[in-house]
Amino acid sequence: EAGVTQFPSHSVIEKGQTVTLRCDPISGHDNLYWYRRVMGKEIKFLLHFVKESKQDESGMPNNRFLAERTGGTYSTLKVQPAELEDSGVYFCASSQVVPGYNEQFFGPGTRLTVL
Amino acid sequence: AQSVTQPDIHITVSEGASLELRCNYSYGATPYLFWYVQSPGQGLQLLLKYFSGDTLVQGIKGFEAEFKRSQSSFNLRKPSVHWSDAAEYFCAVAIPGYNKLIFGAGTRLAVHP
Repeated sequence: EAGVTQFPSHSVIEKGQTVTLRCDPISGHDNLYWYRRVMGKEIKFLLHFVKESKQDESGMPNNRFLAERTGGTYSTLKVQPAELEDSGVYFCASSQVVPGYNEQFFGPGTRLTVL
Repeated sequence: AQSVTQPDIHITVSEGASLELRCNYSYGATPYLFWYVQSPGQGLQLLLKYFSGDTLVQGIKGFEAEFKRSQSSFNLRKPSVHWSDAAEYFCAVAIPGYNKLIFGAGTRLAVHP
């Protein structure tokens, strides 16, 4: 069974440009999460989807970030316009929706560099 | 607010030596506790978790962790490190009833031959 996949693995863009990151969760996982690690600091939660609905977006830094999960399968995270401080590694994770705590399975991350 | 502290940014050990990575958390009750490992080019892999019960938890790859309520700690240990253990290790907590993980800043482990 394929794990969580993310595309691209690396992206280098200029300040002010737009970038879209994609995450494909494990098949059958209705929970999908986005996290970000900036400059060797802690990994921080951005938001959580249950199917196509945003369950918790308390970690989204500002309105330059837009996450979507149309159809409840893959998700995209768009940064528009990108700023220097958006550089970091963006992780996606997915889990099942069952009673109790659901283990999150992580993708390899997308490394975003904004110049 | 909940937080996780990993006081060691970098640790270097010799192959075959024992290892302990420290983790402290800040939360009023007992959260769910996790250790993840990230090898180069890989995603975060769950090593072990603690929800309740026996405070000594066994994980994959020969790792174990001990929950100490009095110290709000969840330190990761391995009796004999292998070169393949070189990676970055993250301690994380989740508040019961909530799904999101709160991570520490990570500890990068280097292993000398």
